[in-house]
Amino acid sequence: RKEVEQDPGPFNVPEGATVAFNCTYSNSASQSFFWYRQDCRKEPKLLMSVYSSGNEDGRFTAQLNRASQYISLLIRDSKLSDSATYLCVVNNQAGTALIFGKGTTLSVSS
Amino acid sequence: DGGITQSPKYLFRKEGQNVTLSCEQNLNHDAMYWYRQDPGQGLRLIYYSQIVNDFQKGDIAEGYSVSREKKESFPLTVTSAQKNPTAFYLCASLLTSGGYNEQFFGPGTRLTVL
Repeated sequence: RKEVEQDPGPFNVPEGATVAFNCTYSNSASQSFFWYRQDCRKEPKLLMSVYSSGNEDGRFTAQLNRASQYISLLIRDSKLSDSATYLCVVNNQAGTALIFGKGTTLSVSS
Repeated sequence: DGGITQSPKYLFRKEGQNVTLSCEQNLNHDAMYWYRQDPGQGLRLIYYSQIVNDFQKGDIAEGYSVSREKKESFPLTVTSAQKNPTAFYLCASLLTSGGYNEQFFGPGTRLTVL
């Protein structure tokens, strides 16, 4: 299994739709999990951390399933401005660096 | 304002030349990182440094070199040995606090080899 694996998409959805992204990771000892957002030709920026209990930030909900080594991101009521690439991120085995998935591209249309 | 700066934003070089990409941070973070991103690809780790005067190879270090003489600075040299250097290069630093990690990125340098 790749260290961090995501469905590359693209996901093409209309405004107002709910969309879910999934991610799997290989290192069962990983402790830190994140979703980053990257706009075209820009640097990645932290969208939200992912906690064991799950966490929500407005329209965004992140879930972690340690047993299945699976992370998800749910976006409700999609906006045009949500169009971007979403990167799943997990810390490496030594805990010294973050490993990035290839990203899932979302395109929201009116 | 605290943050990470990278320069230049765009860089062109001739094949066979070495080139150095600058990365400076004023966030007082100990750890710094260099990534490379190719179109449609994720970020791949080139080198990282946990502390001044120390650095480790990442997954794709061949053809690159770094130095960490100051906490604030982590320059990356792309040498002529790097076979396919055209890419988007991102520098990052890591905030660690009570088990929480967050990586902050600079705006990146787009390197094109002519």
